[in-house]
Amino acid sequence: DTGVSQNPRHKITKRGQNVTFRCDPISEHNRLYWYRQTLGQGPEFLTYFQNEAQLEKSRLLSDRFSAERPKGSFSTLEIQRTEQGDSAMYLCASSLVRGSGSGANVLTFGAGSRLTVL
Amino acid sequence: SQELEQSPQSLIVQEGKNLTINCTSSKTLYGLYWYKQKYGEGLIFLMMLQKGGEEKSHEKITAKLDEKKQQSSLHITASQPSHAGIYLCGADISWGGGTSYGKLTFGQGTILTVHP
Repeated sequence: DTGVSQNPRHKITKRGQNVTFRCDPISEHNRLYWYRQTLGQGPEFLTYFQNEAQLEKSRLLSDRFSAERPKGSFSTLEIQRTEQGDSAMYLCASSLVRGSGSGANVLTFGAGSRLTVL
Repeated sequence: SQELEQSPQSLIVQEGKNLTINCTSSKTLYGLYWYKQKYGEGLIFLMMLQKGGEEKSHEKITAKLDEKKQQSSLHITASQPSHAGIYLCGADISWGGGTSYGKLTFGQGTILTVHP
């Protein structure tokens, strides 16, 4: 297993265009997370899935953002009608959680997808 | 405002010096995770602490979680240029009581520069 893979690594787009990022988690991991990171800040939680179910969405995730994990494996994050404020690094992470999930949960991160909106 | 406050925000040290980075929360920490990030890349897991008073070490890096489980420190002994990067603490923070079940909140990061 090569870890968490994210594509594309870099995306430059014009304001108003739609973009989609893909994340391939570690195959045996059941949890998948999306975070956003801007320069000089720590990652901010966007949403997460357990298998194919989207369990929580942050208030940061406006109606222009949608995430899916259709078969409980890879996930996509789509941003519609991009704005300059969407420029950031989008990080995907995965983990294996057993039971109620109240125990240790080490997230393995991908290298990120950097979005620049002109 | 940051739910997790890291200090200092940046640190410049000479190779061989010791240093400490702190991570403070106003809420109980159910799990505290330290990560390292190189600029423009993903986060690399360093250590995890769960129990009050717990201390873990890996090579020259030691992390501690205080007894009240509201603060953690990361200490690097005899720093090397390879230690340079951004150190991030992430925590499972409860806002309504109890664990948030694995969703991590991160501090803003501490940028470490080590001069040879």
